[in-house]
Amino acid sequence: AQSVTQPDIHITVSEGASLELRCNYSYGATPYLFWYVQSPGQGLQLLLKYFSGDTLVQGIKGFEAEFKRSQSSFNLRKPSVHWSDAAEYFCAVGLVTGANNLFFGTGTRLTVIP
Amino acid sequence: KAGVTQTPRYLIKTRGQQVTLSCSPISGHRSVSWYQQTPGQGLQFLFEYFSETQRNKGNFPGRFSGRQFSNSRSEMNVSTLELGDSALYLCASSPNTGELFFGEGSRLTVL
Repeated sequence: AQSVTQPDIHITVSEGASLELRCNYSYGATPYLFWYVQSPGQGLQLLLKYFSGDTLVQGIKGFEAEFKRSQSSFNLRKPSVHWSDAAEYFCAVGLVTGANNLFFGTGTRLTVIP
Repeated sequence: KAGVTQTPRYLIKTRGQQVTLSCSPISGHRSVSWYQQTPGQGLQFLFEYFSETQRNKGNFPGRFSGRQFSNSRSEMNVSTLELGDSALYLCASSPNTGELFFGEGSRLTVL
């Protein structure tokens, strides 16, 4: 069965420091991969997505993610974190393009300290 | 362009009651999906509607149902509410590209 693992429940970083959030998936083929962000009391906002092609994808707010097939990973990175990046981050996989039943990881809560 | 609108934003019900939640998608989006978010189970897919037809369904009991209207607006209904149904219910619309646009959710509390 397909699954998404975000091993870090909570991460704290200093403002200006770099960030990497981990995501691993389990699926027989290459899924479609997404990162979403959720601020308190809000819905989810898409940061970036990978369908095929270049394994390094750029997203909004200065985020990027790299798909590594050999490691079944899709880690999210940002070179310099801003206080406004504090939120919960979810990795998700979709199995068929156009089908909108995504499987989400359990999320990583990011705290940014001044 | 207006985003995904969900109503009501907050509601409180008692066990055994039923509830209907509404979702208006982004104009032009024909796909609407529903997700349940709880601290214990995280984000779980409920169902997806496309052009008034249920296209996918998650692993939820039959008490959870939905429908989509010709204008793509969608409703979901939960009957015979249980305490465990307390959650944030998120609606997402899509132009059928795999990219989902989420509303702010309807927070249901069951007492």
